[in-house]
Formats: sequence, structure tokens, C-alpha cells
Amino acid sequence: DTAVSQTPKYLVTQMGNDKSIKCEQNLGHDTMYWYKQDSKKFLKIMFSYNNKELIINETVPNRFSPKSPDKAHLNLHINSLELGDSAVYFCASSRYGGNQETQYFGPGTRLLVL
Amino acid sequence: GENVEQHPSTLSVQEGDSAVIKCTYSDSASNYFPWYKQELGKRPQLIIDIRSNVGEKKDQRIAVTLNKTAKHFSLHITETQPEDSAVYFCAASDGNTPLVFGKGTRLSVIA
Repeated sequence: DTAVSQTPKYLVTQMGNDKSIKCEQNLGHDTMYWYKQDSKKFLKIMFSYNNKELIINETVPNRFSPKSPDKAHLNLHINSLELGDSAVYFCASSRYGGNQETQYFGPGTRLLVL
Repeated sequence: GENVEQHPSTLSVQEGDSAVIKCTYSDSASNYFPWYKQELGKRPQLIIDIRSNVGEKKDQRIAVTLNKTAKHFSLHITETQPEDSAVYFCAASDGNTPLVFGKGTRLSVIA
């Protein structure tokens, strides 16, 4: 009965490849997020989806594209992977999408680009 | 936009001592200040939060204080235990914009 789950847990790939990370939440929350945590542990928001609509798109390269088939899922597709994309990617969700709610994080996907 | 500064970046304390982590924010409109704890290899988890209508909030050994005039807030952990060792993140939001996180503090509790 995991609340927020991500797959895969680890992803090792070559530069230039395209990869996807999947996220699912079973909390019935309306809003889901993608965060990037670099090697220095900085947590930075990338995207937010509320009821399948993009409501935040920080200055992220357009090689990154979020896809939400329904409000329980938010996937992240990355084209033409670069070395600098190596990081831990966290999915999160919150109940309504207000910026003053608890965010529930997934376990993270550790991406290593070689 | 909001900018959150967090200090110190690393902190070592003896078991049983207190630990204090401080954050400052730039946007006076911010009114929600959560703290997240991230254990090694794990996900961040909310441990406590405070809103601008209160100056202090406690939950067992953890407390958070807020000084709106000075635009800073602090996390206090008393009687530290080895399981308190983790990276702690502060964050701020005005409700209309997403949470902005500090850069984290790595707390080590030495037994």
C-alpha cells in the first residue's frame, strides 16, 4: 500500500538516449510534482500537474516532458540525455495543489548518464 | 522570486545535545514554512511546519520558531539521538507560488 511509488529505482544509461520514469500515487491527491535533486542535495521543482493540467513549468530544458494520463500518474520523459541530467528525481503529490500543503515524496529514481 | 538561505550546511552534535538550523527568506509575502527530513538514501518527509500566524510550534523534541519581522525561521531539535542524523530542508511559500527549498543541512549526531 505504498503511497507514492516510482519506477525504476535506478537507471543507468548512455548520453543521447531517451528514457522515462514513472510515478503513481494512490492517495487520491489532485496534484503531482517532479523534483530534481543534484549531487549537492539541492531540491528543485521541475513540474507540477493538477488534475492532469500543467500548472508549473520551471526553467527546465524542453528535453524534459511530463505526461499525466490521469491524476494518479505523472511520468517524466527525457530526450537526448546529457551528463548533467545525472541526479535523483523525486515524484511527489499533495492533496489539492495548494502550495501550503504537505507534499508526499516517492522513493526517488537515481539516474546516471554515462 | 523567493530565495531561501539555510545555515549551517553541516552540523555535528553529541548525542543528547540540542541542534539548531536557521533559514532566512526574502519574500515578505511568504507565510508557510515547512521542514523536511531526508535520511540517507531515502525520500524527504515533512516533520513540522509553521504558518505566519504563529511564532512557535512544538512537536515532542522538535520545535520551529518564526520571526516575520526579521524574515527568519529556525528548527530546534532537543535531546538529539542517532536517528536524528539526516539532511534537513527548510522551505517557504506565499501560497501562490511553489515551495522554495533551502540547500539543506546535514546533521550528524555522534553517539
